[in-house]
Amino acid sequence: DAKTTQPTSMDCAEGRAANLPCNHSTISGNEYVYWYRQIHSQGPQYIIHGLKNNETNEMASLIITEDRKSSTLILPHATLRDTAVYYCIVRAENDYKLSFGAGTTVTVRA
Amino acid sequence: NAGVMQNPRHLVRRRGQEARLRCSPMKGHSHVYWYRQLPEEGLKFMVYLQKENIIDESGMPKERFSAEFPKEGPSILRIQQVVRGDSAAYFCASSPPRRGPSTDTQYFGPGTRLTVL
Repeated sequence: DAKTTQPTSMDCAEGRAANLPCNHSTISGNEYVYWYRQIHSQGPQYIIHGLKNNETNEMASLIITEDRKSSTLILPHATLRDTAVYYCIVRAENDYKLSFGAGTTVTVRA
Repeated sequence: NAGVMQNPRHLVRRRGQEARLRCSPMKGHSHVYWYRQLPEEGLKFMVYLQKENIIDESGMPKERFSAEFPKEGPSILRIQQVVRGDSAAYFCASSPPRRGPSTDTQYFGPGTRLTVL
């Protein structure tokens, strides 16, 4: 019952912006878009979340399309330590279960 | 400002033994979630607990697995009579009292890697 679609993998160059797409064409009005990442052998790390508006924090920016059917996570200046699996998760306001798909394996190359 | 703590980080058990995994939530957090990640698979929700209450255990295997979050002390995930298929990484997450999605983001611990010989 995957609610999101992400590319399997992507490479990006160190120092460049990394743009990670996520498709969630069946998203409902009360569902938020969450992003987590999992660096090898570590616990998932919360990155950012949003509902309608674009969001930015110290780690990343989240751009959500006007129709909310897709979004993009932007890592402004990727470093080697950003190499990880990135998960885009759609979550309803009253839903406490996080449903992790396969995510996107991002490899940052020097 | 300690994050979610889990111990042990690595646990080795022989088939038939018991495994106890502990999780201490972040300060101020009263909600605990357990997830399991089997080798080469994604994380799967197991159970959601608040202090002294199991709210949702729909992701827990029906037998051998139990969880608790007592009034005092850490949350415990207990696996009795472990089998090789229980080998996995078990992650705990915590969140503050729910007031809406902006305040109940789940923060994960480093996980416990269980190996059953």
